[in-house]
Amino acid sequence: DTGVSQDPRHKITKRGQNVTFRCDPISEHNRLYWYRQTLGQGPEFLTYFQNEAQLEKSRLLSDRFSAERPKGSFSTLEIQRTEQGDSAMYLCASSPRASGKNTEAFFGQGTRLTVV
Amino acid sequence: AQSVTQPDIHITVSEGASLELRCNYSYGATPYLFWYVQSPGQGLQLLLKYFSGDTLVQGIKGFEAEFKRSQSSFNLRKPSVHWSDAAEYFCAVVQGYGGSQGNLIFGKGTKLSVKP
Repeated sequence: DTGVSQDPRHKITKRGQNVTFRCDPISEHNRLYWYRQTLGQGPEFLTYFQNEAQLEKSRLLSDRFSAERPKGSFSTLEIQRTEQGDSAMYLCASSPRASGKNTEAFFGQGTRLTVV
Repeated sequence: AQSVTQPDIHITVSEGASLELRCNYSYGATPYLFWYVQSPGQGLQLLLKYFSGDTLVQGIKGFEAEFKRSQSSFNLRKPSVHWSDAAEYFCAVVQGYGGSQGNLIFGKGTKLSVKP
C-alpha cells in the first residue's frame, strides 16, 4: 500500500479554464475527504464521501466545484471556470472506517493549483 | 461551532532545546484531537492523536501532547528539537458530535524554525 495518491502534483491553468484533480485513497478506506489549503492557513474542509455517497459539502464548495467518487474507490474534484482565488493546495485524505469516530485521516501530498 | 486556535504563528528554537506548541480548542463534549506536521510543498503527516483515556499521548519522532480539559488545550511538546523538525505544525479537532462526521477542523498552524 503506497498511501493516498494525488495527481497531478502541480497544475497551472489560465483563468476561466476547467481543471480536474484525482485522488486514489488507501485501498478499502471507506471515507475520502477533500480539503483546500491557501498560503499561511490550515486546511479547510470541502467535502467528503463514504464509499460512493457524498455526505457533506462545505459552503466553501461553490457551484463551480464538483466532486465524485463513482465506484467508491478513487475520487475526482473538478473546478469549472477557474478564478485566481482558486489558487491553493488541494489535499485529499482517506480514513479506514465508516464512522468518523476513533479513526485518523491519512493525507496525500496534495495538488498545487495556480490560476494565472 | 467547533474551532481550533494556535496562538503562535512562528516559533524559533535552538537545536537541542525543548519545544512546546500551543493549541486551544472550542468544543462542548470530549474532542478527538490531532497534531499533524507538514513540510514545505508536502501533505500532512500525523504525529499523534487523542480520543480518550490517558491524557498524555505519545507520538512519532519523539513528540508528545497533553490533553487538559480544564484549559481546553492540547499542547505539543518535544524535549529536544532536531533540525529536521523544522516544518509547519497543525492542531486539529474532528467535527461533529462524537466525531461522527469525521472531517477535521484545523488551526492556522505554527511554523517552527530551528537554529543550529
